[in-house]
Amino acid sequence: DTAVSQTPKYLVTQMGNDKSIKCEQNLGHDTMYWYKQDSKKFLKIMFSYNNKELIINETVPNRFSPKSPDKAHLNLHINSLELGDSAVYFCASSPSGAYNEQFFGPGTRLTVL
Amino acid sequence: SQQGEEDPQALSIQEGENATMNCSYKTSINNLQWYRQNSGRGLVHLILIRSNEREKHSGRLRVTLDTSKKSSSLLITASRAADTASYFCATDGTGTASKLTFGTGTRLQVTL
Repeated sequence: DTAVSQTPKYLVTQMGNDKSIKCEQNLGHDTMYWYKQDSKKFLKIMFSYNNKELIINETVPNRFSPKSPDKAHLNLHINSLELGDSAVYFCASSPSGAYNEQFFGPGTRLTVL
Repeated sequence: SQQGEEDPQALSIQEGENATMNCSYKTSINNLQWYRQNSGRGLVHLILIRSNEREKHSGRLRVTLDTSKKSSSLLITASRAADTASYFCATDGTGTASKLTFGTGTRLQVTL
């Protein structure tokens, strides 16, 4: 069974549309994250939730809105998509506390046309 | 600004050779982690070294940490074609537990 899963794997859409990416983890972890990896492979954290509570919110346009219905799920909704949003988005999870490795999902490749 | 810088950006070696990748960071850390990313896949955790540790081994991997120089190295011994991937260091800064800041990555190519 996949530990951290994301859907969809690929997402191609037009500028201005609204889209969502879903993430689920079955590891029993308390903390979940969204990362964005650009075309140069630079990976940057966007959001982090701990037990459904937002704990990290980096400088991300407010067109991006994460939602955590429970601690096993963290979805990412993006409004009014722009060309610059094209990237690979990774979900990850980890147990709470320091010294913890993060477990990554397979990624969602978003292409905005 | 970006926390970790990795060196080299790309490395090409032959199977059986050792590969060394370096990571430098800017601020104090709780721990430093290394991840591998195969093409088109998510990142996979390799090894974690705490700020009070200097060296750690896991199989063919050896990681060193020098907090005075704010640098770490990852050595892969007896490389295999399957080691071909991008390797990233990630630091967990003091006071920001569970927030990892990733380096720029080293792309390793191991040829037969």
